[in-house]
Amino acid sequence: EIVMTQSPATLSVSPGGRATLSCRASQNVRNNLAWYQQKAGQAPRLLIYGASTRATGIPARFSGSGSGTEFTLTISSLQSEDFAVYYCQQYDNWPPLTFGGGTKVEIK
Amino acid sequence: QVQLQESGPGLVKPSQTLSLTCTVSGGSISSGDHYWSWIRQPPGKGLEWIGYISYSGSTFYNPSLRSRVTISRDTSKNQFSLRLSSVTAADTAVYYCARNVGDVWGQGTTVTVSS
Repeated sequence: EIVMTQSPATLSVSPGGRATLSCRASQNVRNNLAWYQQKAGQAPRLLIYGASTRATGIPARFSGSGSGTEFTLTISSLQSEDFAVYYCQQYDNWPPLTFGGGTKVEIK
Repeated sequence: QVQLQESGPGLVKPSQTLSLTCTVSGGSISSGDHYWSWIRQPPGKGLEWIGYISYSGSTFYNPSLRSRVTISRDTSKNQFSLRLSSVTAADTAVYYCARNVGDVWGQGTTVTVSS
């Protein structure tokens, strides 16, 4: 099973600021990596798939990069609605699907 | 567009079997080369993939839960279901159904295991 590790666990950012979230895979997942946003009491929402492709309706301020074992999600100018928990997920070697432990982006 | 909705008891006693159903609208579960998954999230924790049933009816389960999990489908109702046996408090979670690796999710249903 591929283990996904996210850092940091919590990220404090001012509104309008830039957030950089990291995700590392225990083995090569090529570009089969997705990012999800989850707000309190809601289901996760797909933001990015294929490591860098935005899902339908996702604003351009969200961008993903990386391949192999190292990935990054960048939110270029944080809006109030972006404060949430973000998860990475690999789907290269599935099943099973595996998720990272999450990064909480909070208001500084 | 495709929508998913979970349903089932919110409270299950320890050692009993948890049973949930996901009703799919806007698309058929037996076509389109899709995979229909169950994913859970314990309170305050991360996401755990439980297993899937494919468009053809094949199944695959997370090895950590394989001995207790069964996923089945009713194509006439366009539903797929989860059964998790011998539950304990550790199975308390929000249970989600989802399509493929997660492009569409249900809203989730909370299941508490308690006597």
